[in-house]
Amino acid sequence: QLQLQESGPGLVKPSETLSLTCTVSGGSISSSSYYWGWIRQPPGKGLEWIGSIYYSGSTYYNPSLKSRVTISVDTSKNQFSLKLSSVTAADTAVYYCARLLRLLGFDYWGQGTLVTVSS
Amino acid sequence: QSVLTQPPSVSAAPGQKVTISCSGSSSNIGNNYVSWYQQLPGTAPKLLIYDNNKRPSGIPDRFSGSKSGTSATLGITGLQTGDEADYYCGTWDSSLSAGFWVFGGGTKLTVL
Repeated sequence: QLQLQESGPGLVKPSETLSLTCTVSGGSISSSSYYWGWIRQPPGKGLEWIGSIYYSGSTYYNPSLKSRVTISVDTSKNQFSLKLSSVTAADTAVYYCARLLRLLGFDYWGQGTLVTVSS
Repeated sequence: QSVLTQPPSVSAAPGQKVTISCSGSSSNIGNNYVSWYQQLPGTAPKLLIYDNNKRPSGIPDRFSGSKSGTSATLGITGLQTGDEADYYCGTWDSSLSAGFWVFGGGTKLTVL
């Protein structure tokens, strides 16, 4: 059974860079059928797609976040990572990593990790 | 403001049927595949429908999806109290040279 697990600091200071890693187990991140993505959900609000990456390194980003986001993949560790720079309180959210089956839907999700931006 | 428009809330009695709409445009729903997600309180979203109308293994046939033009609909029959959740639609948007994924704003289902 495929599992995804987010990890990283739960508290980030304003203007700093948020860094999270998603570890994939029970399957290979190098499968040609899937993209891998980050989605976030501010407290009490809806889902916002941040970006996705293919195992080859091709990336797609939310246009509204593109200037601050970098997603990378490490196939040797079966992991992919998110960096979001210049964070503010508006970036406080539960961050999920998920697998995207081609462009058909996100079929596996991590449990999510709350990241709070505060000094 | 989400690219995909969903009603903020819907409600129905146990055993009844409910539909949730998702309205978009030709750059997203009109030319791409729609998926639907259920998010129970305090949990990660769960895929209910992908590729417009397909159910992943383990999803009961009480849940159905359809698409027509630039709109999609999630149907739930035989409502149960356990179906109370937030529901989101999602799809790819091809309006820019590099596409991007979009979610609807979400619909809160109350089973009265």
